Amino acid sequence: GAGVSQSPSNKVTEKGKDVELRCDPISGHTALYWYRQSLGQGLEFLIYFQGNSAPDKSGLPSDRFSAERTGGSVSTLTIQRTQQEDSAVYLCASSLRPGGPYEQYFGPGTRLTVT
Amino acid sequence: QQPVQSPQAVILREGEDAVINCSSSKALYSVHWYRQKHGEAPVFLMILLKGGEQMRHEKISASFNEKKQQSSLYLTASQLSYSGTYFCGTEMGIQGAQKLVFGQGTRLTINP
Repeated sequence: GAGVSQSPSNKVTEKGKDVELRCDPISGHTALYWYRQSLGQGLEFLIYFQGNSAPDKSGLPSDRFSAERTGGSVSTLTIQRTQQEDSAVYLCASSLRPGGPYEQYFGPGTRLTVT
Repeated sequence: QQPVQSPQAVILREGEDAVINCSSSKALYSVHWYRQKHGEAPVFLMILLKGGEQMRHEKISASFNEKKQQSSLYLTASQLSYSGTYFCGTEMGIQGAQKLVFGQGTRLTINP
């Protein structure tokens, strides 16, 4: 079946511009996660959704970052007034339920470059 | 809060064994292991739950020591396809935090 998809695959933007990154999870998966991976680094947790609610936003680096999920499906991560340090690969993952015994399925990521 | 993985990198010849460790300073509820190849998304390997049994995926197995708050990944008779970066993702707390905090990764290189 279809996996997790993300768009765009690549995004180059100028410093100060806003960007929106999209994630389409696997159908039926109630949990959705956003991570950031800088070059050669690990996976940094940003936020997770259970349905349309975000019980944990603790990983969002600043108030320039926000995310929403609608219809228990598609999620959008928005970065306002982008900075060069925002350059990274943004990964989305979904799982049947949050935490515990449920494996996360990752999308291919969006590579964001801020010039 | 981030778990510590060791070693940071390891180079093996095909057929050799390796152990990757993941240690936390906090009580763990579950540990997830993923492998990421260069330029690709992480792929799930296995989950170990608090109180659960040792898991196995082909010739890769893992254990979870609750007392030490540590998990170890064992790669036996490594194959070229095992190359990649291995990440442990830890779910903390007595009842589980429902999110994963990932280690920095262990880069594994398998040479012929």
